[in-house]
Amino acid sequence: EAGVAQSPRYKIIEKRQSVAFWCNPISGHATLYWYQQILGQGPKLLIQFQNNGVVDDSQLPKDRFSAERLKGVDSTLKIQPAKLEDSAVYLCASSGVLSGNTIYFGEGSWLTVV
Amino acid sequence: AQSVTQLDSHVSVSEGTPVLLRCNYSSSYSPSLFWYVQHPNKGLQLLLKYTSAATLVKGINGFEAEFKKSETSFHLTKPSAHMSDAAEYFCVVTLYSSASKIIFGSGTRLSIRP
Repeated sequence: EAGVAQSPRYKIIEKRQSVAFWCNPISGHATLYWYQQILGQGPKLLIQFQNNGVVDDSQLPKDRFSAERLKGVDSTLKIQPAKLEDSAVYLCASSGVLSGNTIYFGEGSWLTVV
Repeated sequence: AQSVTQLDSHVSVSEGTPVLLRCNYSSSYSPSLFWYVQHPNKGLQLLLKYTSAATLVKGINGFEAEFKKSETSFHLTKPSAHMSDAAEYFCVVTLYSSASKIIFGSGTRLSIRP
């Protein structure tokens, strides 16, 4: 079974630039999550999708972060404009009924803002 | 309210000795409980999960955890530590209503002494 795919794995940008991360969840998983993990901390949920609808985006900084999952499959997370404090790993995860609602994570996209 | 507490931010053991990583949870409902491991520069990998079946759960790499409802605990153990076990470990609780709600512990960094 293919896992959760994320790209790019690494990105370095200057502050005020924009960046986009892509995620392809495990096939058939209805729920998709984006997490932000700052070095030395646990993951923080940014946004959760159920199919192509948003379930929870209460911790998403909506003035600069946006995410979409147009066809209920893959998803894109965008940051514009980036700030220094956005330097983190952005983890995508997915879950589905067929896998017992266990959450599976991708390898992460590592962002450094300079 | 639901919460997860990992009682130790850092645990250090000698190679070949037992490992104990402690996790307590608070939940109004019957939760599902997970342990994830994160090696440096990697995503989160599922170690094991409890979903109301057997209270003693065996996972990968020789790890196991016991769900104790009376103590609201889900401690992770391994009889003999290996150098490759050095990583960050996260205890996670999920609640399933209309959509999954995932709560992460703050993480425990496990160090292995030669």
